[in-house]
Amino acid sequence: SSELTQDPAVSVALGQTVRITCQGDSLRNYYASWYQQKPGQAPVLVFYGENNRPSGIPDRFSGSSSGNTGSLTITGAQAEDEADYYCKSRDHRHFYVFGTGTRVTVL
Amino acid sequence: QVQLVQSGTEVKKPGSSVKVSCKASGGTFGSYAISWVRQAPGQGLEWMGGIIPIFGAANNAQKFQGRVTFTADKSTSTAYMELSSLRSEDTAVYYCARDIIEDYSNWFDPWGQGTLVTVSS
Repeated sequence: SSELTQDPAVSVALGQTVRITCQGDSLRNYYASWYQQKPGQAPVLVFYGENNRPSGIPDRFSGSSSGNTGSLTITGAQAEDEADYYCKSRDHRHFYVFGTGTRVTVL
Repeated sequence: QVQLVQSGTEVKKPGSSVKVSCKASGGTFGSYAISWVRQAPGQGLEWMGGIIPIFGAANNAQKFQGRVTFTADKSTSTAYMELSSLRSEDTAVYYCARDIIEDYSNWFDPWGQGTLVTVSS
């Protein structure tokens, strides 16, 4: 299956750490990429590959991978990190699939 | 750096077609792929397919087989997505994104600003 499953919602206290997970068979062969989307805005890439953060993305965003699970961790969450987060991967046919999305609420 | 600018809002009748453009500036258009993603109101992201302009090679998600066409004009650095036989369920924001591919990873960066397509009688 090429589906990617994420928890629908998580909450985190300001300044604390939250981990968002993404599960799917394709992640055994390909790294996930992660996107942040705020209301009314286009998605923004926040992490990709084994260990890559685009220029301009704070270093509180990090990623990891193990087996069929990819994770995005926000260490020291800020109010501006409140958003929807999506993982994405590909399969061997070069078809892409997005995760179901996780809404992060910063309390 | 690469920037992608999309065409404006569209309102279409059921059964008609829509063609959305995505103009690139910066970088070398054609040397990278362009993917298209849509997002229905209140829903998640859905990959539709994409094109590698330098080759003219395209692929699409099974769901859109026979209904979507991806093209690119290298002379104007513009990619296009045309969706036919529109129905109300196609109402969504449509995004283009640069598609970067490596051996074991792939990512979309940057994204266009999005184009709202509303299908209504």
